[in-house]
Amino acid sequence: AQSVTQPDIHITVSEGASLELRCNYSYGATPYLFWYVQSPGQGLQLLLKYFSGDTLVQGIKGFEAEFKRSQSSFNLRKPSVHWSDAAEYFCAVGAAFGNEKLTFGTGTRLTIIP
Amino acid sequence: GAGVSQSPSNKVTEKGKDVELRCDPISGHTALYWYRQSLGQGLEFLIYFQGNSAPDKSGLPSDRFSAERTGGSVSTLTIQRTQQEDSAVYLCASRGGGARQETQYFGPGTRLLVL
Repeated sequence: AQSVTQPDIHITVSEGASLELRCNYSYGATPYLFWYVQSPGQGLQLLLKYFSGDTLVQGIKGFEAEFKRSQSSFNLRKPSVHWSDAAEYFCAVGAAFGNEKLTFGTGTRLTIIP
Repeated sequence: GAGVSQSPSNKVTEKGKDVELRCDPISGHTALYWYRQSLGQGLEFLIYFQGNSAPDKSGLPSDRFSAERTGGSVSTLTIQRTQQEDSAVYLCASRGGGARQETQYFGPGTRLLVL
């Protein structure tokens, strides 16, 4: 069965500082990997996704993520955070075949301080 | 174009009552998903529809939960005899049914509170 672990429940960073959110997955084959962001009271917005090819993927809002098969990781990074980045971030893995349902991690809540 | 819409945005009900939650997917999307987001369980898959195929109901937590999708478009999630543990945000997502590797687009969710 597929699973996703986000080890950090809550992270606080200063505005302008760099950010890395960790994600580890368990999946028997090549996974489809996603990062979604959820602002309070809002639905999920896709930041970026990895299916194949280049292991460094670029997303919206200046985010990027790197797929490392050897470490079963898909960490999200941003070089300089903005106050508007405060939200909850979810990593997800999807099956390549079948229903392609998403299995989500428990999320990381990001707080930005001035 | 319009995204995934869900109604109502909030629903308060009494324990034991039935509720219906509605999802309007993106036009032309053949795949539709329901997820539940709760404090204790995080985000979990409930059910999946793809075109005219039989739905994948493997994520439904009990037989009090059911869903249908009429005309390959709008979907309704029904919870019968609601319990307090059903309180959660119910999210709907749709995906284009063409090639693989397409993104699931999520609606804003319905926040359900069972008193």
